Amino acid sequence: QKEVEQDPGPLSVPEGAIVSLNCTYSNSAFQYFMWYRQYSRKGPELLMYTYSSGNKEDGRFTAQVDKSSKYISLFIRDSQPSDSATYLCAMESGNTGKLIFGQGTTLQVKP
Amino acid sequence: DGGITQSPKYLFRKEGQNVTLSCEQNLNHDAMYWYRQDPGQGLRLIYYSQIVNDFQKGDIAEGYSVSREKKESFPLTVTSAQKNPTAFYLCASSSLGQAPYSPLHFGNGTRLTVT
Repeated sequence: QKEVEQDPGPLSVPEGAIVSLNCTYSNSAFQYFMWYRQYSRKGPELLMYTYSSGNKEDGRFTAQVDKSSKYISLFIRDSQPSDSATYLCAMESGNTGKLIFGQGTTLQVKP
Repeated sequence: DGGITQSPKYLFRKEGQNVTLSCEQNLNHDAMYWYRQDPGQGLRLIYYSQIVNDFQKGDIAEGYSVSREKKESFPLTVTSAQKNPTAFYLCASSSLGQAPYSPLHFGNGTRLTVT
């Protein structure tokens, strides 16, 4: 079993939809949780990070962490075609930089 | 503009040849990392360095080597011992250990094809 599980999709939604992306994990020591967006043939770009449990909002993006369920989510409101990309969750137990990544979910937002 | 520069963007090599991928950062970050990305497998850590002249193996270091002679530079050599070298290679950096938390920032990758 992988330490971090993420449904690879692809996920296709119409423009304006609310998108929910999720990851589950098995290591209860994880404290830092990140979401990266990766466009084709580009490096991952950090969207948001959260420490421990709770919610964090940044514009149309909301990250949620539920440590009791070992489950994290990224919500995208009013999705746009420019949101079409692969979304990677990542996490680590301390401020070490040694991240464990999910497989990535490919999202397509259709105009 | 501060950032991480990886070169070249595409690299083609024959099997049995060593190849070196370049990574330079001007973010003044202490820590640098190399990850490998394969379809459907996410990113996996190859090597990392927290300080000049020191580096540690990641989860998949076999067949790779690195050096860290300067803070700004962390080149990765893919040797002929790497059994499946064709992949997308990503370099990252962070100001490790500094509060608040410093997430990784990535370059735009080098796609290596070995035939």
